[in-house]
Order: sequence, then structure tokens, then C-alpha cells
Amino acid sequence: EIVLTQSPATLSLSPGERATLSCRASQSVSRFLAWYQQKPGQAPRLLIYDASYRATGTPARFSGSGSGTDFTLTISSLEPEDFAVYYCQQRGNWPLTFGGGTKVEIK
Amino acid sequence: QVQLQESGPGLVKPSETLSLTCTVSGGSISSTSYYWGWIRQPPGKGLEWIGTLYYSGSTSYSASTFYNPSLKSRVTISVDTSKNQVSLKLNSVTAADTAVYYCATPGDYIDYWGQGTLVTVSS
Repeated sequence: EIVLTQSPATLSLSPGERATLSCRASQSVSRFLAWYQQKPGQAPRLLIYDASYRATGTPARFSGSGSGTDFTLTISSLEPEDFAVYYCQQRGNWPLTFGGGTKVEIK
Repeated sequence: QVQLQESGPGLVKPSETLSLTCTVSGGSISSTSYYWGWIRQPPGKGLEWIGTLYYSGSTSYSASTFYNPSLKSRVTISVDTSKNQVSLKLNSVTAADTAVYYCATPGDYIDYWGQGTLVTVSS
């Protein structure tokens, strides 16, 4: 099973600031990694797939990068609606696995 | 646009079987365009993939299932094509199975999610 480790666990930032979230895989997943956003009481929403492709409806301020074992989600300038929990997920190998999440909170 | 709606008991006793149903609208459960399955999230914790069913074949019913190894001995995912539903059964539940259960399309990435249903395991 591929283990995904996300860091930091919590990111405290102000609106307008840049957010950088990390996801590290225990073995290579090539570029088969996605990012999801989850707000309280809601299901997760797919933001980024195949490491860097924005899903339909994902704003351009969200970007993904990386390959192999190290991946980054960047939010260029935080909007109030971006404060949420973010999860990475790999599809390189079954079982599908998720990272533990990074909470982006208002400073 | 595929829509998913979970239904089932919100409370299950320890050692019993958790049973949930997901009704699919906006798409056929027998379509080979989607994978169908379940993901859960314990309160305040992260996401865990439970399993996936992939339906294939236009002339005969044929489905392949993939389960999380940590749950494989207790899980069954099945479909009812006549009702356009996918079901989850989890046997011998304990308090550790308390979670929000999401019906979803967990093939590679997950485009569609239900709203989720909280299932509490308690006597």
C-alpha cells in the first residue's frame, strides 16, 4: 500500500497570501496524484488530477506540480472560500489511498 | 451530470452488518464509463477508500470488484441494475466503523460524490 504523507497538518494564513501544501508518497506514483478540497459538512471536491491538471470549475489560482514521490498544491492568492481541508490521493496502485489532509485556516 | 444519494440506517449495533444503498441518477449503473464504490471518513479524520465495482459487458452482467485489503474480509459491494443502485455491506462492525460513508465513483480519481451519510456503531 502506498502511504501519502501531507505537510504541514495545519497552515495558518491570511486572505491574499500564497499557500503551499506538500504531499509525499512512500513510493513512486508517477504523476497519478489528485488533490481534493473539503469544507465542513460537505463531500470532497476534485481540484487537480494527474498532478497538474485542473478539474472542471477549478479556479486558475490553484496549481499542482510534482512527479514520482513529491507533489505540491499551490494556491497563489487565498480567497475566503479557500479556507478548508485539502487531501491528496494516488491512483498509481491499488488500493487507492489518501493523505491525512492539510487544514488551511485563517490566521 | 451523475448524482448519488446514500440511504440506510444511521445506527448499527456492534457485531451486526452495516448496509447502505446508493441510488444513481443522471447515468446508468451498467455504463462502462464509471466505476462505483464507497469511501468513508471517521468523524474529524481523513478519507479511507472501501472498495470499487466496475461493471463491464453489454450482453451479460459482469462486474469486477476491488476492496481495501484492510476491510476485504468484511466488505461486499454489489449493484442492482434494475434499480440503478449500488450497495455496501460491512459485516461484524465495531465502533471503529463509525464514519460518514460516501457513495462515489472511485475508479482512478473521484469526480462524483454523494452527500454522505453518518453511520454510528453503538449498542
